[in-house]
Amino acid sequence: DGGITQSPKYLFRKEGQNVTLSCEQNLNHDAMYWYRQDPGQGLRLIYYSQIVNDFQKGDIAEGYSVSREKKESFPLTVTSAQKNPTAFYLCASSSHSRETQYFGPGTRLLVL
Amino acid sequence: AQKVTQAQTEISVVEKEDVTLDCVYETRDTTYYLFWYKQPPSGELVFLIRRNSFDEQNEISGRYSWNFQKSTSSFNFTITASQVVDSAVYFCALSERNYGQNFVFGPGTRLSVLP
Repeated sequence: DGGITQSPKYLFRKEGQNVTLSCEQNLNHDAMYWYRQDPGQGLRLIYYSQIVNDFQKGDIAEGYSVSREKKESFPLTVTSAQKNPTAFYLCASSSHSRETQYFGPGTRLLVL
Repeated sequence: AQKVTQAQTEISVVEKEDVTLDCVYETRDTTYYLFWYKQPPSGELVFLIRRNSFDEQNEISGRYSWNFQKSTSSFNFTITASQVVDSAVYFCALSERNYGQNFVFGPGTRLSVLP
């Protein structure tokens, strides 16, 4: 079955620690995205990638980093510079930029 | 600049009632797409529909229907005979073909369907 997988489902971060959220898709999509959702709020774009080895900052990129070495994978690292990382993180992909986005199940990040 | 407004923050209805979720958008592009997504309590966003700016035909899918009106820049979503399983947050989104960011999501409308 084609789709988007995110792991882990829950992630706990200690103060000063970097953590990496995984996002994999087997839809052969060129574009991938990371969003952050705070409780009761909408989606905010962190980073997006329109093609392998290329990515752009979204609205709230500070404290986050990404890589796009493979078409299927777009991992997000939450660095220690992100002072308030507790949120729900959603990964999405689309065949091309501006096309319909399909979402993964999300990762909930909590700070210990 | 592109913008999506969902003025209804929360709506509560009793099961079997009809409910309409409003979406108003702003764009300077002549070619754009409008979307609706459903986010159930599990958290994953589920794609419901995409509408091209050149296609103003209303769409019906089971209990769901969508009314696209370019004259009022609106793309409203109606659920007929609502069910408890319809309880979710619903997001409207806009994608411009030639300008702006990839996607702009509205703030969402939380729908609670009470038994």
